[in-house]
Order: sequence, then structure tokens, then C-alpha cells
Amino acid sequence: QKEVEQDPGPLSVPEGAIVSLNCTYSNSAFQYFMWYRQYSRKGPELLMYTYSSGNKEDGRFTAQVDKSSKYISLFIRDSQPSDSATYLCKSGYNKLIFGAGTRLAVHP
Amino acid sequence: GAVVSQHPSRVICKSGTSVKIECRSLDFQATTMFWYRQFPKQSLMLMATSNEGSKATYEQGVEKDKFLINHASLTLSTLTVTSAHPEDSSFYICSAPTAQGNEQFFGPGTRLTVL
Repeated sequence: QKEVEQDPGPLSVPEGAIVSLNCTYSNSAFQYFMWYRQYSRKGPELLMYTYSSGNKEDGRFTAQVDKSSKYISLFIRDSQPSDSATYLCKSGYNKLIFGAGTRLAVHP
Repeated sequence: GAVVSQHPSRVICKSGTSVKIECRSLDFQATTMFWYRQFPKQSLMLMATSNEGSKATYEQGVEKDKFLINHASLTLSTLTVTSAHPEDSSFYICSAPTAQGNEQFFGPGTRLTVL
């Protein structure tokens, strides 16, 4: 079992939709959880990071961690075509473990 | 946020040559930097951890003699792909954690094409 699992997609949604991106992790000791956005042929950029259980909101983005089920989510409200990218989750900060990334396409 | 730069952004070389890629942290010091490789439509694969003043730590399956890493200062790490072959063609990305270690900033990546 991979330590961080993520559905690679692709996920295609219409503009304005609410997008839900998800990862699961296997190590209950993980404390930090990050979401990165990567546009094609670019390096990833940090979107959000959270720790422990709970929600963190930043504009149209909400990161959610459920440690009881080892489940992390990123919600995007009012999705825009400019949100089209690959979204990678990452757990931990010492040993870097990325999910496979989910490709998102938002079409007008 | 913190900035990490990479140079060059794109390189095309002949098979058998060596290519050096630089990674710099522009506004913070990084005792550790990470080097990743990403093939098309695949996730980032950690190759090695670069440590300032000491030897790099390589992930399983990564040839340390082929991918030479030098962390010469607190703001610069270099990756040299020696005797490059077409199968080494990939997107190479470096990253550096902040001092607190809970944020990771990535460089823009270097696209290597070996003919």
C-alpha cells in the first residue's frame, strides 16, 4: 500500500462547479498535509497546508483533514478554467511523500 | 513566499554529454534541498536529498554516480546528470523547505531532452 494515495483522474467539470479532490494516507503519525497545484510544464506551487484534523479556508479553496479516517480533501468552489492543473497532495514534511496527482480540467 | 530558482529552464544535449542544473534559494537559506524527476503525466519522484556540507542522500534505485549532487552553499545545490542518455530525458525539479520545515517551495523545473 502506498503511503499517500490519490486518484489520478482526469477529472473534468464545467465552470462554476464545486470540485472535490481527495487523498488517503496510511501513516497515522503524519501531522502536516499539503496541497500543491502544478500547471503543465511548471514546478508545483504550494496552495495550502494544514495540520491535524479540521478545515482551512483560503478564498475559493478549502482544505480538510480527517485524521480518524486518514482522509484529506481539497475543495474548490466556483471553479474556473484557470484552475485546470494537476493537484498533488503531500503528507509530512520530513520524508516527502506525494500523491500521484489528480488532473483537473475545468471547461467553460 | 519564498522563491527558488532553477537554471537552465530547458536544455537539449547529445547523448553522452553531462548536464548541470542549478537550484538556488533566493531569499532564504536552505541546508537541505530536494531533487525530483517527473516524467510526462506522472507524479514527482524524489531522487535525492541534498545536504549542505555533506553527502547527498539518494533514494532507492537512483544511481549516485550518474546523478551527482553538490550542495556548495546554503543557497545553491547542483545536480549533474553525467553521460546523459535519452532515457534521462525528463523534467527535473528542485525544492527547498523553510527553516521551520513545514513548507516546501519548488523551483520552476528544468526540462532535459537528450537526443
